[in-house]
Amino acid sequence: DIQMTQSPSSVSASVGDRVTITCRASQDINNWLAWYQEKPGKAPKLVIYAASSLQSGVPLRFSGSGSGTDFTLTISSLQPEDFATYYCQQANSFPPTFGPGTKVEI
Amino acid sequence: EVQLVESGGNLVQPGGSLRLSCAASGFAFSTYWMYWVRQAPGKGLECVANINQDGSAEYYVDSVKGRFTISRDNVKNSLYLQLNSLSDEDTAVYFCARVFRPQFRMDAFDVWGHGTMVTVSS
Repeated sequence: DIQMTQSPSSVSASVGDRVTITCRASQDINNWLAWYQEKPGKAPKLVIYAASSLQSGVPLRFSGSGSGTDFTLTISSLQPEDFATYYCQQANSFPPTFGPGTKVEI
Repeated sequence: EVQLVESGGNLVQPGGSLRLSCAASGFAFSTYWMYWVRQAPGKGLECVANINQDGSAEYYVDSVKGRFTISRDNVKNSLYLQLNSLSDEDTAVYFCARVFRPQFRMDAFDVWGHGTMVTVSS
């Protein structure tokens, strides 16, 4: 299975801050990388697919980049509703695997 | 509205069985690969199984092979997961999820249910 790692595991930030989360795959996954936002008691919400494509309805302050093994999710100006846990997920080979998550907190 | 609604979660003893259901609505269910994804309390996300559009192909993560069975009924627009020989390591919220682009076996997941809780305990 492809192993996914994320850093940092948590980040303390304030409204208006720029936040960057990194995700690394244990092998080349081309651009088969998605990012999700998860809030307590809720299902994950797709934010970015194909490494850099913004899901419909997601604010433009979210962006993704990377290819191969190294990827980033950036929130350009953190808003109160963005405090959540973010997961990356590879879709290059079965089983699809997720990173351990990054908690964005105040 | 595109929606997935899971049911069937419960408290079950070790070694027991359970059948989870996922009712789909608002989209052409029969055209999508579908997944079951689980999340143990306080832990990350794990894909456990997927199934193709007509139910003729299914794949499982190693930890559930031989114990879990995924199936679907495209007439009823429903996805199922039969869980057998359960252990406490199977305790988790189980989500059904739809792949984003129907032509792909693996992809991002753009529609998720709310999840159903399976607790394995004596």
